[in-house]
Amino acid sequence: KAGVTQTPRYLIKTRGQQVTLSCSPISGHRSVSWYQQTPGQGLQFLFEYFSETQRNKGNFPGRFSGRQFSNSRSEMNVSTLELGDSALYLCASSRTGLGETQYFGPGTRLLVL
Amino acid sequence: GDSVTQMEGPVTLSEEAFLTINCTYTATGYPSLFWYVQYPGEGLQLLLKATKADDKGSNKGFEATYRKETTSFHLEKGSVQVSDSAVYFCALSSSSGSARQLTFGSGTQLTVLP
Repeated sequence: KAGVTQTPRYLIKTRGQQVTLSCSPISGHRSVSWYQQTPGQGLQFLFEYFSETQRNKGNFPGRFSGRQFSNSRSEMNVSTLELGDSALYLCASSRTGLGETQYFGPGTRLLVL
Repeated sequence: GDSVTQMEGPVTLSEEAFLTINCTYTATGYPSLFWYVQYPGEGLQLLLKATKADDKGSNKGFEATYRKETTSFHLEKGSVQVSDSAVYFCALSSSSGSARQLTFGSGTQLTVLP
């Protein structure tokens, strides 16, 4: 079974721009969650989508948004990029949600200049 | 809110040494507890988990026991290998009403020397 895939793997943007990251979950998984990983703040939960609905949300500003499609693929969007948004963005999938094992993708490394 | 506190790293051990990485948590209710491992350049992989008090999770020689009385989930391995070098994250998943959160510790970098 193919694992979680994320595209692109690397991105360079400038302040003020917006960015869209994509995540394809494991087949049969309906829950997709997103995380930001930085050296200073560690791993922080952004949000979780299940059956095209945002079900849980972390403590991030509204510039961070996401969506999920009917095939469970998910996108995350960050608008008006700031230097502090430079991070590794990880997505994870599972069959039913955050209470069970999460299967992580390799991440998208975003650098904001 | 929920929180996970992990032993500060980095940790450097010689091959075949005993490993302990401490993890304590604060959460409401009865969280599920996890250890994830991240190898260089990769995403996280589940190492082991426990869903209720006194459960012991184990995998690849690693073990951790869910201790509700001490709110701890310490990771142990009797004899580490060079290939165990990675970053280890303790995490908890708890629910409050219909909401659920997944909270990670800060991670512990382990380096095993031959």
